[in-house]
Amino acid sequence: NAGVTQTPKFQVLKTGQSMTLQCAQDMNHNSMYWYRQDPGMGLRLIYYSASEGTTDKGEVPNGYNVSRLNKREFSLRLESAAPSQTSVYFCASSERGWAGNTEQFFGPGTRLTVL
Amino acid sequence: DQQVKQNSPSLSVQEGRISILNCDYTNSMFDYFLWYKKYPAEGPTFLISISSIKDKNEDGRFTVFLNKSAKHLSLHIVPSQPGDSAVYFCAALTAASGYALNFGKGTSLLVTP
Repeated sequence: NAGVTQTPKFQVLKTGQSMTLQCAQDMNHNSMYWYRQDPGMGLRLIYYSASEGTTDKGEVPNGYNVSRLNKREFSLRLESAAPSQTSVYFCASSERGWAGNTEQFFGPGTRLTVL
Repeated sequence: DQQVKQNSPSLSVQEGRISILNCDYTNSMFDYFLWYKKYPAEGPTFLISISSIKDKNEDGRFTVFLNKSAKHLSLHIVPSQPGDSAVYFCAALTAASGYALNFGKGTSLLVTP
C-alpha cells in the first residue's frame, strides 16, 4: 500500500516548455487534489476532482490543466511553463461522501523549477 | 484573500513543555478544521481535526480547541518532544467546495532538548 505517489520528484524546465505531473493513489479514494506550495506560503489549491469524471478549478488554476484519467490517477499539465510556476506541487486524495471523513493524504511532492 | 491565518511564523518550546499553535479564520461557513504536520521534503501528514459543531478534540498528546465566536482555533501539544519539530499547517474546508482544503501559511515549531 503505497498511498499517494507522484512522479517525477524533481524537474527543471525552460520557459515555454510543457510537462505533465503524474499522481496515483491506491486507497480507492473518490477525490483527488493538486496543490502548490511557495516559500512562506501555505498550500494553495490548483484543481480538484471530487469524483471520477469531474474536475473543478481551485484558487490558482491559471496556466494548468488536469485530467482525471481513472479513479486512481490525476495528472496536472503545464502547457507553457513560466518562472512563476516554480514551486513544490503536492497531490492529495481523500475519501468522500460522509462528513466525518475529511482527511486528505498527500504525496511526497514534485519540486519544479522553471528557468 | 487568506481565509485561514497563522500569524506566528515560528515558535520555540522546550522539551516537556506545552506548545500552543494558533489559527484564525474568516469564513464562518467552514465545516471542519484540520491540523497537518510537515517535515522538510515530505508531504503534509494529517494530525488531528475538529468539526465545527464541537469545541474540543483530543488525540493523545494533541488537543485542538475551537472557539467559533472568535473564529479561532488552537493546537496544544503536551508534552512537547523534539520529534514534534516541524511546520504545522492549520486548514479548513467546506462541503460546498468539494472538501478542498484552505491552508494557513504554517507555523514552524522547534522543540529544544
